[in-house]
Amino acid sequence: NAGVMQNPRHLVRRRGQEARLRCSPMKGHSHVYWYRQLPEEGLKFMVYLQKENIIDESGMPKERFSAEFPKEGPSILRIQQVVRGDSAAYFCASSPELTSTDTQYFGPGTRLTVL
Amino acid sequence: KQEVTQIPAALSVPEGENLVLNCSFTDSAIYNLQWFRQDPGKGLTSLLLIQSSQREQTSGRLNASLDKSSGRSTLYIAASQPGDSATYLCAGNTDKLIFGTGTRLQVFP
Repeated sequence: NAGVMQNPRHLVRRRGQEARLRCSPMKGHSHVYWYRQLPEEGLKFMVYLQKENIIDESGMPKERFSAEFPKEGPSILRIQQVVRGDSAAYFCASSPELTSTDTQYFGPGTRLTVL
Repeated sequence: KQEVTQIPAALSVPEGENLVLNCSFTDSAIYNLQWFRQDPGKGLTSLLLIQSSQREQTSGRLNASLDKSSGRSTLYIAASQPGDSATYLCAGNTDKLIFGTGTRLQVFP
């Protein structure tokens, strides 16, 4: 059973470009979470999704950021018109279908650098 | 609003010492509390998960305790080794994980 997969592992964008980060949860997991770790800071919750639904997006910036988890395919975190302050490590986690209070399994992260 | 604090922020010890890392949280309405390890530039590795109904969990040289009433958890590392060097994060789970800022541990030979 492969773990949580994230790609790309490293992403470089220039200011104003779009960044798309992908997350494939563990097999059988239908809960996906996105967290952001800014340089020298702790991990902060961004958004919690189940298949085709956003459950909690209280940690998402109001503008330029969006997330989806379609019926088929990976979850996507999309950042439009990136700025230097978006440079961070973005981690995805997944948990099993039956309960959202189980262990969350983390992917290796995508490190976004905005030039 | 849940806030999670970890003390100390950094710790440097010689190999073989027994260690205690502290985590405190403001909202006791958590489902569980998790301890993670993060190596530089890497992802998170789950170490221990304590359900809200439990008081402690053990895995090898690691023991984590949870006291919901006082809003505290501790991670005890026995007989530390250089390979234990990493950042240790605790997180309270209320559907989403609220992380502390971590304790950066260095164990030197």
